[in-house]
Amino acid sequence: EAQVTQNPRYLITVTGKKLTVTCSQNMNHEYMSWYRQDPGLGLRQIYYSMNVEVTDKGDVPEGYKVSRKEKRNFPLILESPSPNQTSLYFCASSLRDLTDTQYFGPGTRLTVL
Amino acid sequence: GDSVTQMEGPVTLSEEAFLTINCTYTATGYPSLFWYVQYPGEGLQLLLKATKADDKGSNKGFEATYRKETTSFHLEKGSVQVSDSAVYFCALMGNQGGKLIFGQGTELSVKP
Repeated sequence: EAQVTQNPRYLITVTGKKLTVTCSQNMNHEYMSWYRQDPGLGLRQIYYSMNVEVTDKGDVPEGYKVSRKEKRNFPLILESPSPNQTSLYFCASSLRDLTDTQYFGPGTRLTVL
Repeated sequence: GDSVTQMEGPVTLSEEAFLTINCTYTATGYPSLFWYVQYPGEGLQLLLKATKADDKGSNKGFEATYRKETTSFHLEKGSVQVSDSAVYFCALMGNQGGKLIFGQGTELSVKP
């Protein structure tokens, strides 16, 4: 089944403890992206990647890192999480770019205490 | 910078009513425009898109026309169903190609 998977789905952590949210797609897509969703703010793009080893900042990259060492995986790294990073995070992928249909993962709900 | 503004929700309609959700944008150049839908507890799904002026995107009875003169991409449906209850997001892709800007979302609730 074609899908985007994220792990973990739920995470409660404390300020400053490094964490990684994994994202994997099995559709051989070139484009991948991370978003965060907050009430009243809609979705905001954190980082995106047009292909392996190519990453770019979205609208809200501060406090996040990403890597794209292989096509299927695009992990989101929070080196030193803070409470303002408490949010619902979505990973997404599409075949080449945003004009192709973008498929979203199920989301990761992160709480930073 | 580029931005998207949607009408505020929540919007509550009766089944079979006509739906309009307004979306206007600010962008340089010629952006591509999208509507995404998020059903309760799920991720987003692409509903429809338009990549150039005067294009009409359509899917599942929903339509939106890319109007460059009014910088708008309003979502319409002639007769809504209870199953259309969801949050709808307007979005644009600017000249950079990989960057996607979302509106704040409009929650739609359809009552039987």
